[in-house]
Amino acid sequence: SQQGEEDPQALSIQEGENATMNCSYKTSINNLQWYRQNSGRGLVHLILIRSNEREKHSGRLRVTLDTSKKSSSLLITASRAADTASYFCATASAGGTSYGKLTFGQGTILTVHP
Amino acid sequence: DAGVIQSPRHEVTEMGQEVTLRCKPISGHNSLFWYRQTMMRGLELLIYFNNNVPIDDSGMPEDRFSAKMPNASFSTLKIQPSEPRDSAVYFCASSFKSGYTFGSGTRLTVV
Repeated sequence: SQQGEEDPQALSIQEGENATMNCSYKTSINNLQWYRQNSGRGLVHLILIRSNEREKHSGRLRVTLDTSKKSSSLLITASRAADTASYFCATASAGGTSYGKLTFGQGTILTVHP
Repeated sequence: DAGVIQSPRHEVTEMGQEVTLRCKPISGHNSLFWYRQTMMRGLELLIYFNNNVPIDDSGMPEDRFSAKMPNASFSTLKIQPSEPRDSAVYFCASSFKSGYTFGSGTRLTVV
């Protein structure tokens, strides 16, 4: 079963608006990562937040992590049509020897209308 | 760096045939992962290697699936015999300590 569950499943907004996607997970994590996938392409790593971090920024991306609620959010500010893609959260479990194994959620399909 | 290279990009084969998917990870990355993506099941981890050693193959659906990593720069995923339900996009990804770099995938269609 998938560790991460994204919400919403689909999001449709106008260019210039902000887009917020949420991710919930079940077990303790070492870090949480967000990926983007354009149609017909592989996933692209966007940002990684460690379990001891609460917020991280990268350009127009802002990620928050609440380990007490086992949840994370990805905010894309001032969205562009080129941001249209599927966005996945992925978790790396804490402890053990997982060698960086990630478990992916089902993804949020974001459509940004020009 | 050319990134993670997968071949072929597309494969159409008849049921019962053997299919071999190939992956060249990024030089220096010591972990390699094979995922399968379908609309119904999303991204499923099939198997992953660390330093060329298979660590966890619990995601491999059946004995028809096998994977090898003979050296740090090459891995294969083989399906024999293939079935229509194996149709999916198969991704290879490599990493060193944290974020993955994915290949462009192989779209497999079994008819």
